[in-house]
Amino acid sequence: AQSVTQLGSHVSVSEGALVLLRCNYSSSVPPYLFWYVQYPNQGLQLLLKYTTGATLVKGINGFEAEFKKSETSFHLTKPSAHMSDAAEYFCAVTFLSGNTGKLIFGQGTTLQVKP
Amino acid sequence: NAGVTQTPKFRILKIGQSMTLQCTQDMNHNYMYWYRQDPGMGLKLIYYSVGAGITDKGEVPNGYNVSRSTTEDFPLRLELAAPSQTSVYFCASSSQGPQASPLHFGNGTRLTVT
Repeated sequence: AQSVTQLGSHVSVSEGALVLLRCNYSSSVPPYLFWYVQYPNQGLQLLLKYTTGATLVKGINGFEAEFKKSETSFHLTKPSAHMSDAAEYFCAVTFLSGNTGKLIFGQGTTLQVKP
Repeated sequence: NAGVTQTPKFRILKIGQSMTLQCTQDMNHNYMYWYRQDPGMGLKLIYYSVGAGITDKGEVPNGYNVSRSTTEDFPLRLELAAPSQTSVYFCASSSQGPQASPLHFGNGTRLTVT
């Protein structure tokens, strides 16, 4: 079955430090991969997505992620954390074929940014 | 634009009661979704729909029902509420499916079953 696993339910970084949030996927068909962000008491917003083509994708607010098929990973990074980045981040997967309307989320990683 | 509107925002149910969570979108999106969010579990897909008249089960459909008689509305029905259904429920919509267009989320319904 297709799924995503986020390593680390809670990540804490200092302001200005590198942000690295980990996501691994399992899929028997080519995946489309996404990162969504949820700010407190809100719904989710799309940060970035990988569909086909370039494996390094850039999103909003300085975030980027790299699709690595050999490692089945799609880790999210940002070179320098800002206080406003504190939120919960979700990796998600859908499929190139089959149930293409279905979007499956990981467990989420809460990012804390310390001053 | 209102986007995706969920009602009610909060609800407390007694065990065995039933209720309908309402979701409506004014963006003419074909795809609609219901997720539940529990601490440490992320979002779990309950049901989704790729167009009016078409619904399909997600990861955790048991205890829920949906219908999609119009493009705009996608209500979620809970029959015989149980404490395990205490959660935050999110409705979302997408114009062309997640591969091609992002999901737009409502602000959620916080449900407590006691």
